[in-house]
Amino acid sequence: DAMVIQNPRYQVTQFGKPVTLSCSQTLNHNVMYWYQQKSSQAPKLLFHYYDKDFNNEADTPDNFQSRRPNTSFCFLDIRSPGLGDAAMYLCATSRDGREFFGPGTRLTVL
Amino acid sequence: GNSVTQMEGPVTLSEEAFLTINCTYTATGYPSLFWYVQYPGEGLQLLLKATKADDKGSNKGFEATYRKETTSFHLEKGSVQVSDSAVYFCALRSSNDYKLSFGAGTTVTVRA
Repeated sequence: DAMVIQNPRYQVTQFGKPVTLSCSQTLNHNVMYWYQQKSSQAPKLLFHYYDKDFNNEADTPDNFQSRRPNTSFCFLDIRSPGLGDAAMYLCATSRDGREFFGPGTRLTVL
Repeated sequence: GNSVTQMEGPVTLSEEAFLTINCTYTATGYPSLFWYVQYPGEGLQLLLKATKADDKGSNKGFEATYRKETTSFHLEKGSVQVSDSAVYFCALRSSNDYKLSFGAGTTVTVRA
């Protein structure tokens, strides 16, 4: 059974058109993460939540925002996607030192 | 700060060959160490982990030993299969941090 679910798996948007990526979890974990992974690179942490506490990485652009309305759901909002934002976006959860990653959403910006 | 240095790829092997991917780290305190695997088009899966010095993590024929004296966590498999073709990431997390620090990843291709 899927434990970290990301929708959609593939998302196409236009340059400058806001887009939202979704993540849900069935694990009831208190920590959730969003990573950006560009081709042939390591995942780069954008931000994470510990419960409702939001933690932004210092180098995460303002163009990226996140919402966590409840324990199960977390959203990544890209306000004005640029061509450089095309990447795989990975959601993850963790509890007691163990991370669980979702399958990722591949974002294409036209 | 924390950092992970991983052997550069790509690595191409024949089936049943021996695989080693080197990983060294810099961290404060006593980090936990991980190997993740990413198959084409998929997210990351935890392959194995070790939480203290001299621990050996193992899974699916892969092994890695936490060596504090050499700050290393090299991944090994004695006989690879075509299905082991993937990107492998070494990672660490400090005991006082929620964040994973990843290495750059090593692409492994196993040919039949």
